[in-house]
Amino acid sequence: DADVTQTPRNRITKTGKRIMLECSQTKGHDRMYWYRQDPGLGLRLIYYSFDVKDINKGEISDGYSVSRQAQAKFSLSLESAIPNQTALYFCATSDLGDSTDTQYFGPGTRLTVL
Amino acid sequence: GQNIDQPTEMTATEGAIVQINCTYQTSGFNGLFWYQQHAGEAPTFLSYNVLDGLEEKGRFSSFLSRSKGYSYLLLKELQMKDSASYLCASMDSNYQLIWGAGTKLIIKP
Repeated sequence: DADVTQTPRNRITKTGKRIMLECSQTKGHDRMYWYRQDPGLGLRLIYYSFDVKDINKGEISDGYSVSRQAQAKFSLSLESAIPNQTALYFCATSDLGDSTDTQYFGPGTRLTVL
Repeated sequence: GQNIDQPTEMTATEGAIVQINCTYQTSGFNGLFWYQQHAGEAPTFLSYNVLDGLEEKGRFSSFLSRSKGYSYLLLKELQMKDSASYLCASMDSNYQLIWGAGTKLIIKP
């Protein structure tokens, strides 16, 4: 079984709809991240959380919100989706006890906003 | 500002060696990562360097020069399955990863 899972894997929605992307992990990691990936650009950090009570904005948080429901779950919401939020979204985790803080990625959610 | 530069695309031949370069400018430095990403899939961790020098891991090696803000990933004995994008990322003083856009490596028979 995968250590980091994301649901849904693909989603097509319309402008103005509210969307939630979910991420779960069985790695026991404290830290979780949401990124988006667009063609020709590097991964960009949306939000990150170092533990259940800790939420931090990343580089491109406008238009997004997150919830850390438990150590193992971190969800990303688009309150009112717009077409330029069409992208590949990745969740990642890392271990507080790992001196390198290496991040491990889920399989991604491909979101299309029409 | 913070910036990562790597070539957009490279082509190499099966069985050969290829070197993918990366230069970085980040506020503070806490390590340089390389990831492999097949099309439409998740990035997977390849290597981490924080000290100058070469780290070897099987067919893949990664080099770092902190004074030059430079790293490279060396892939030996190329196989068709090595066709992928290779992402360079630098960890800044806030322990955030700054990512390059990736180098698409095309392997030809």
